[in-house]
Amino acid sequence: AQKITQTQPGMFVQEKEAVTLDCTYDTSDPSYGLFWYKQPSSGEMIFLIYQGSYDQQNATEGRYSLNFQKARKSANLVISASQLGDSAMYFCAGGESSASKIIFGSGTRLSIRP
Amino acid sequence: DTGVSQDPRHKITKRGQNVTFRCDPISEHNRLYWYRQTLGQGPEFLTYFQNEAQLEKSRLLSDRFSAERPKGSFSTLEIQRTEQGDSAMYLCASSSQAGGPYNEQFFGPGTRLTVL
Repeated sequence: AQKITQTQPGMFVQEKEAVTLDCTYDTSDPSYGLFWYKQPSSGEMIFLIYQGSYDQQNATEGRYSLNFQKARKSANLVISASQLGDSAMYFCAGGESSASKIIFGSGTRLSIRP
Repeated sequence: DTGVSQDPRHKITKRGQNVTFRCDPISEHNRLYWYRQTLGQGPEFLTYFQNEAQLEKSRLLSDRFSAERPKGSFSTLEIQRTEQGDSAMYLCASSSQAGGPYNEQFFGPGTRLTVL
């Protein structure tokens, strides 16, 4: 069975610094999809970035990038130049090629200090 | 607004009552998902539709839960004989089938259920 693990329950970062949120996955599917979502206090789930385990290059979307290391089965999210508005819960999620559902990790609460 | 919408946004009910939630996906999306999220946890998958067909159900979906998507557009999630343990945020998401299984899922704002 697939599993997503986020080991950082909470993180505090100074504004304008870069931050890395950790995520590891466990699956036997060689074609696995990894997603990151942001959930502000308002509750909505906002898609940030996607990476397929078969992709050769790390995905980037604006200030978000994915540090994907297939051998370690890790898909860490890097946020550059953090902003106060980045304060939120961040969820890593994954999906197998044989199914359309995605499995979420337990999340990391990121707090940006001014 | 062309995003995923859910109704109601909040529902307070007494234990033993039935409740029904509605989800309207993005119009061109043929896949629809229901998730449940309890405080401090990530969303847990409940069930998934492709068009009107319910293709997968989680074992979390007990006999008291039923979901429908009769015309392949909006979906309803009904909980019968609610229990206090059903208190959670119920999230709906939709995605397009085009491009393979890894399409981004767009989430609605959720329905927060409180069972007294």
